[in-house]
Amino acid sequence: AIRMTQSPSSFSASTGDRVTITCRASQGISSYLAWYQQKPGKAPKLLIYAASTLQSGVPSRFSGSGSGTDFTLTISCLQSEDFATYYCQQYYSYPQSFGQGTKLEIK
Amino acid sequence: QVQLQESGPGLVKPSQTLSLTCTVSGGSISSGGYYWSWIRQHPGKGLEWIGYIYYSGSTYYNPSLKSRVTISVDTSKNQFSLKLSSVTAADTAVYYCARMTGTTPVDPWGQGTLVTVSS
Repeated sequence: AIRMTQSPSSFSASTGDRVTITCRASQGISSYLAWYQQKPGKAPKLLIYAASTLQSGVPSRFSGSGSGTDFTLTISCLQSEDFATYYCQQYYSYPQSFGQGTKLEIK
Repeated sequence: QVQLQESGPGLVKPSQTLSLTCTVSGGSISSGGYYWSWIRQHPGKGLEWIGYIYYSGSTYYNPSLKSRVTISVDTSKNQFSLKLSSVTAADTAVYYCARMTGTTPVDPWGQGTLVTVSS
């Protein structure tokens, strides 16, 4: 099974900041990488798929990059509604697997 | 727009079988092209993919749970179901049903349902 490792596990930032979350796969996954946002008590929400394609309706301040084993999610100008937990997921092979999550908190 | 809704008991006794159903609206499971999935999230923890079923009945299960998991589909009711046998407290989690394809990620998701394993 492919292991996904995110860093950092948690992060404090302020509104207006630019933040980057990284995700590393234990083996190459091409661009079969998605990013989700999850708020307490809610299901994850798809933000980005194919490593860099923005899901319809997601603000353009979110962007993704990478291929192979190393990926990043960037939020260019944090808004209050962006404080949440973010997960990466590989869908290159089964069983599909998720990173452990990055909790973004208000500084 | 496809929507998914989980249903089932919120409390299961240890050693018993957890049973959940996912009802799909806004689209037909029988139309094909999608894998109907179950994913769980332990309290305060990350996400674990359980497995999927295709409308034809073919399945794939996470090897970590394979010996205890059965996913089935009822196309006449536009539902698919999860059974997890011999549960322990470690199976306490929020269980989500969701849709995916072979080349796209999980989307959309149901709202999730908390299942607690306790006597």
